[in-house]
Amino acid sequence: GDSVTQMEGPVTLSEEAFLTINCTYTATGYPSLFWYVQYPGEGLQLLLKATKADDKGSNKGFEATYRKETTSFHLEKGSVQVSDSAVYFCALSDTGTASKLTFGTGTRLQVML
Amino acid sequence: EAQVTQNPRYLITVTGKKLTVTCSQNMNHEYMSWYRQDPGLGLRQIYYSMNVEVTDKGDVPEGYKVSRKEKRNFPLILESPSPNQTSLYFCASRFRGAEGYTFGSGTRLTVV
Repeated sequence: GDSVTQMEGPVTLSEEAFLTINCTYTATGYPSLFWYVQYPGEGLQLLLKATKADDKGSNKGFEATYRKETTSFHLEKGSVQVSDSAVYFCALSDTGTASKLTFGTGTRLQVML
Repeated sequence: EAQVTQNPRYLITVTGKKLTVTCSQNMNHEYMSWYRQDPGLGLRQIYYSMNVEVTDKGDVPEGYKVSRKEKRNFPLILESPSPNQTSLYFCASRFRGAEGYTFGSGTRLTVV
């Protein structure tokens, strides 16, 4: 079945540091890939997405590139801010199970001043 | 404002006492879905619906029921809650052809 693996957290960074959160996936079809963010006490918000190989999703300074050859969708940001502190979830939606998002376990990011 | 609204936000109940968590969306979305979030497990799908009167099981449907009598509403029913259903629950919706779901703010359920 489909699965998503994310790096374990928490990740603690200083403000303005470079961020990478690794995500790899297993899927039987041709999935769409997503990053969702969950701020404390809130629901999940779609951060960015990519629907086919080599697509790059970007939003709010975050980027992720759909790499079919390595089945990866790593999240990056060049300079994090305290306001980026949240839990980040990688997810996929497979063509065969379009009604469902399969999520990774989430990575907590804490950015310190 | 386009949104998915869940109620209640917090609920503490006792084992065996039936409860319903409501979910409503104002975006005319066809697809709706319920997820539960547990530490170390991420989010797992409980049930989903592709349109009115069309529902199906997700990955962890045991102990839950749903109904979709109207397009905007998708309540989650726990007929006889047990402590292992203590979790954070999210309702989500999307258009049929869209990518990615819009999520509600969550319902934190504690069963004692």
